[in-house]
Parts: sequence; C-alpha cells; structure tokens
Amino acid sequence: KAGVTQTPRYLIKTRGQQVTLSCSPISGHRSVSWYQQTPGQGLQFLFEYFSETQRNKGNFPGRFSGRQFSNSRSEMNVSTLELGDSALYLCASSPGTGIPYEQYFGPGTRLTVT
Amino acid sequence: AQKVTQAQTEISVVEKEDVTLDCVYETRDTTYYLFWYKQPPSGELVFLIRRNSFDEQNEISGRYSWNFQKSTSSFNFTITASQVVDSAVYFCALSEPQGGSEKLVFGKGTKLTVNP
Repeated sequence: KAGVTQTPRYLIKTRGQQVTLSCSPISGHRSVSWYQQTPGQGLQFLFEYFSETQRNKGNFPGRFSGRQFSNSRSEMNVSTLELGDSALYLCASSPGTGIPYEQYFGPGTRLTVT
Repeated sequence: AQKVTQAQTEISVVEKEDVTLDCVYETRDTTYYLFWYKQPPSGELVFLIRRNSFDEQNEISGRYSWNFQKSTSSFNFTITASQVVDSAVYFCALSEPQGGSEKLVFGKGTKLTVNP
C-alpha cells in the first residue's frame, strides 16, 4: 500500500508570493490533516478535511487555506508569504471515521521563504 | 484547553541504557486519545502507539513500553536497552474527538540521542 505522498518536497519562495502544496493520502483514507512544524512553535495543527469539507481549523491567519478533492487529495495554499512561514509542512491521512486512529504522515514539504 | 507537556527537551544516553520519556497532558474531556510518534532525522513522523482514556493498561511492544496514569495525567514512554537506531525526536500527542475531528495536539518533543 503506498504511503502518503507530498509534493513538492522542497520549495523556495520570496516574501509576498503565494504557494500551493499537495498531499495524496493513503488509498481509502478520507481524512487529511495539515500541520506546520517550526523549531520555535513545534508541530501545530493547520486544518483537517474530510469528504471535501473542512472539519476543523487551527489558529492560523486567513492566508492559510486548503481544500480537498473528491479523490481525497488535498492542497493547502499560503498567500502573501512571510519569512515566518518558513517551516516543514506535514500532511497526514487517516480513515476518518471520527475515532482518532493513527494518522499516517507524509515526508513533508520544506518551505523556505526569503 | 488541550495541552501536552514534554519537559525533557533533550536526552542523551549510552547504548543499552534504559530511558524514559515523560509526557503530561491537560484536557477537560473524559474521552480522549493519547499517541506517541517518532520523528527520525529523515523527518517523517512514525506512529508508535495509541491509547484511549478508558484503557489504563500498560503496554509493552518489544523494547518499548508505555505507562498511562490518569491520576497524574501522564503517558510515559520507556525504551529498554536503547540502541543507536532509537535516536530521534519523540512526540507525545493528544486528541479529543469532538465533532469527529482527529486534530492532534503535540508536545514540543524530546530529542533522544543514543551514543554507541
């Protein structure tokens, strides 16, 4: 069974630009969650999607948005990039039944904002 | 509010030593789930264990064991006879299944270095 894949793996952007990250969950998984990991703040929840609907949202500004497609693939977008957005962005998938089973994480996308 | 505290930022041991990673959590719910994840240098989080709030039985899996104590809101992780391959950052996490969400609240992590 293929694992969670994230593209691209590395990205360098300039302040003010926007970026889109992609996540393909494990086949059959309907829930996709996104996390931001930084040395200072650690792992922070961004949002969760289930069946194309946002099920939960973390405490991030509106510049961070996401969506999920009918095949459960998900994208997250960050507009008007700031230096502080430099981080490892991790995507996780799970069956999404509502009982928190283990989430399977992808390798992450390392975003650097200059 | 949910909160997970891993007071140990870094731990360094010599191979074959036993090591315990501490995790203390805060929650107002009676139903919740606790997790441990491992993040090796490659960066990908690897699931280790899930425990629900109604199951206080300790668990052992090979060299790994977990001690869940609701009375002290702790969910500690012990590695017996540590090996160099155990070197990684370990995260404890909490989930409260409200509205079906599977949001995880992570601790800051404990970086474990096992020296040969």
